[in-house]
Amino acid sequence: AQKVTQAQTEISVVEKEDVTLDCVYETRDTTYYLFWYKQPPSGELVFLIRRNSFDEQNEISGRYSWNFQKSTSSFNFTITASQVVDSAVYFCALSEASGTYKYIFGTGTRLKVLA
Amino acid sequence: NAGVTQTPKFRILKIGQSMTLQCTQDMNHNYMYWYRQDPGMGLKLIYYSVGAGITDKGEVPNGYNVSRSTTEDFPLRLELAAPSQTSVYFCASSDRTGGFSGANVLTFGAGSRLTVL
Repeated sequence: AQKVTQAQTEISVVEKEDVTLDCVYETRDTTYYLFWYKQPPSGELVFLIRRNSFDEQNEISGRYSWNFQKSTSSFNFTITASQVVDSAVYFCALSEASGTYKYIFGTGTRLKVLA
Repeated sequence: NAGVTQTPKFRILKIGQSMTLQCTQDMNHNYMYWYRQDPGMGLKLIYYSVGAGITDKGEVPNGYNVSRSTTEDFPLRLELAAPSQTSVYFCASSDRTGGFSGANVLTFGAGSRLTVL
């Protein structure tokens, strides 16, 4: 069965600190997608990144970076020089790469960035 | 481009009442999903649809029904509302075009907060 674990329920950092959000997944599929979504206090869910299972290249987008390691089944998300606007709940998710393409979401990590 | 539109945004129901949450997307996406979000529990899949006329159960379908008569619309019906159905409901859609390199990115509606008293 597929499973996504975000062990960090809540993290608080001071503005400009770096912070890493952990995500560990389980799947028997050989091909799959991994995602991160952001849910700011306003409540909407916003897509941040998608990774294909065969692409372990790390990605950097501005202050955001993602580290995908199949050997440890992890897909961690780092925010560099955090800002108050980064305060949100962040969800890691795993989806099938065929058939119904259903998603499994982690329980989310609430990030609080203090000024 | 409106994306995914959900109505209503807020609703209070009495135990035993029924209601329908509406969801419409204008992106011509084949795949549509209904999730519920409970505090600290992430998102749980209620029902999904891979195209007009095709629906299937997700993780937590009990107490809900869906239909998909058109590509655009995917309403979620709650029959005999119970306090356990108090939650925030999200409708989402996605596209599969492009094969394995296709997006499979979910576009979410703004959510519907339902309280059952």
